[in-house]
Amino acid sequence: QKEVEQNSGPLSVPEGAIASLNCTYSDRGSQSFFWYRQYSGKSPELIMFIYSNGDKEDGRFTAQLNKASQYVSLLIRDSQPSDSATYLCAPHNLNDMRFGAGTRLTVKP
Amino acid sequence: DAGVTQSPTHLIKTRGQHVTLRCSPISGHKSVSWYQQVLGQGPQFIFQYYEKEERGRGNFPDRFSARQFPNYSSELNVNALLLGDSALYLCASSLIGTGVYGYTFGSGTRLTVV
Repeated sequence: QKEVEQNSGPLSVPEGAIASLNCTYSDRGSQSFFWYRQYSGKSPELIMFIYSNGDKEDGRFTAQLNKASQYVSLLIRDSQPSDSATYLCAPHNLNDMRFGAGTRLTVKP
Repeated sequence: DAGVTQSPTHLIKTRGQHVTLRCSPISGHKSVSWYQQVLGQGPQFIFQYYEKEERGRGNFPDRFSARQFPNYSSELNVNALLLGDSALYLCASSLIGTGVYGYTFGSGTRLTVV
């Protein structure tokens, strides 16, 4: 079993729709969780950080965490073409942060 | 304020050679992590250093080594290069060893092994 699993892409949504990105992880010791966005040819950039069960909202982005189910998700409301990128889930442990394979999102105008 | 800087940006090496990649963290950041990213995959964790000590190591062979200097900059060394080592190597720095506030990535070094 992979440490971090993300729903395989590519995920395509129309402009203005809600994009839902999912991630499951195997290590129950993971304390916090990051969502990174990576544009093609660029390095990852941090967009969301969550460490408590429940929802965390930041603008059009909402991260949801369920530690009992070892599940974290990212919702993007009112998706824009500029949101087209690969989204990486990264559970963080004491001394490392391990990424999933990423989900490629395409937002069509 | 400078971000995470990596050098060189691109590199071509021959199989069997050795390579050294360099990283300077954001000023004030004491933790540096190294990742390897192959096209189409997420970054794979190689090492984390905090206060000049290795704090974490991923599933990479002993050909990969790293160190952190007193000024918190870091080097990643790869010996006996294989074609499969061709990848984007990313360095990330964080404020403290636990990375609670997230990691900031550099632009990476694109390594091609021929």
